[in-house]
Amino acid sequence: EAGVAQSPRYKIIEKRQSVAFWCNPISGHATLYWYQQILGQGPKLLIQFQNNGVVDDSQLPKDRFSAERLKGVDSTLKIQPAKLEDSAVYLCASSFWGDSGNTIYFGEGSWLTVV
Amino acid sequence: AQTVTQSQPEMSVQEAETVTLSCTYDTSENNYYLFWYKQPPSRQMILVIRQEAYKQQNATENRFSVNFQKAAKSFSLKISDSQLGDTAMYFCAFMNTNAGKSTFGDGTTLTVKP
Repeated sequence: EAGVAQSPRYKIIEKRQSVAFWCNPISGHATLYWYQQILGQGPKLLIQFQNNGVVDDSQLPKDRFSAERLKGVDSTLKIQPAKLEDSAVYLCASSFWGDSGNTIYFGEGSWLTVV
Repeated sequence: AQTVTQSQPEMSVQEAETVTLSCTYDTSENNYYLFWYKQPPSRQMILVIRQEAYKQQNATENRFSVNFQKAAKSFSLKISDSQLGDTAMYFCAFMNTNAGKSTFGDGTTLTVKP
């Protein structure tokens, strides 16, 4: 079974530029998460989708971050304009919400460096 | 809102010995899920073990086991017969049963020494 796919793996941009990250969850997983992980810290939830609806985006800086999940499958996270403090790993994850378990499966992450 | 606290930023253990990582959480909910995740230097987060709050029996997975104390809101991870490959950052995580909202702790960096 294929895991959570993310791209690009690494990105370096200048401040005030924009960047987009793409995620393809595990097939059949209705729940998709985007986390921001700053070095030395735990993942912080940015946004959670259930199918193509937003469940929680309370910690998403909406003045610069946006995310969408078209057709309830792939998702894109965009940052515009980027700030130095956005340098982090952006983790996409998915889960199957059901009796068989609610384990969150993570992708390898997209490393962002803002200079 | 839920909070997850890991009070040990760094720990080390000798190969083949046993180590316990601590985690406490705060919630007003009665039913939820708890997880321990491992993040090796390659950065991909991997599930180590999970526990459903309604189950009194502590979960075990080979060398990994938990001590779940619901009243104390404590969820520690015990690693037996530590191996060099266990070196990683370990995260404790909470998930509620209402739409699966998740909260992670800030992690414990575990180093297994030969």
